[in-house]
Amino acid sequence: QQQVKQSPQSLIVQKGGISIINCAYENTAFDYFPWYQQFPGKGPALLIAIRPDVSEKKEGRFTISFNKSAKQFSLHIMDSQPGDSATYFCAASKGYGGATNKLIFGTGTLLAVQP
Amino acid sequence: DAGVTQSPTHLIKTRGQHVTLRCSPISGHKSVSWYQQVLGQGPQFIFQYYEKEERGRGNFPDRFSARQFPNYSSELNVNALLLGDSALYLCASSLRDSPYSNTGELFFGEGSRLTVL
Repeated sequence: QQQVKQSPQSLIVQKGGISIINCAYENTAFDYFPWYQQFPGKGPALLIAIRPDVSEKKEGRFTISFNKSAKQFSLHIMDSQPGDSATYFCAASKGYGGATNKLIFGTGTLLAVQP
Repeated sequence: DAGVTQSPTHLIKTRGQHVTLRCSPISGHKSVSWYQQVLGQGPQFIFQYYEKEERGRGNFPDRFSARQFPNYSSELNVNALLLGDSALYLCASSLRDSPYSNTGELFFGEGSRLTVL
């Protein structure tokens, strides 16, 4: 069974702090690893994504760190803000040559940033 | 520009009934995918259609079916509803059939919340 395991289930961070969410995958054929942000009542929105040929990708306050040998990747949110409070999902897929948009999602992390 | 639109936003059905959910992709997007999100869980892939052809199917029973129309809109049908079908059903569209390139990014709608009593 293809799985993506995500931790922690919930996270409370003070404003200005660093939020770190971790994911681990099993299928070495996965080659696309996005992170989605979901606010209550809304659909998931792509935050940032990485391919396994790089170990880190940064976009603004959001950074993905990728460890191919450990089959792990993580999301770091720097200078966390109350507006970042949402549920975050990691995902993985066999995008290249797969001709499919089948994303395998983690179980989600509920992030609360306290002012 | 309009995003992915889904209808209805909320609906309540009873066990054994049938439901049809509708999705209009972003203009120009040819791929539509359906996901089921049970409360407290991540979305689970149900179907993908690209250029009106089925490109992928998740681990869901045959009670679930879908189709894509010539204008790229899509319907998800669920027959013989069970209590466990209660979930948020998400539609996502993309330009291409794979997320590997930037143009393959999935854009999700706000979902149809189905409650089965």
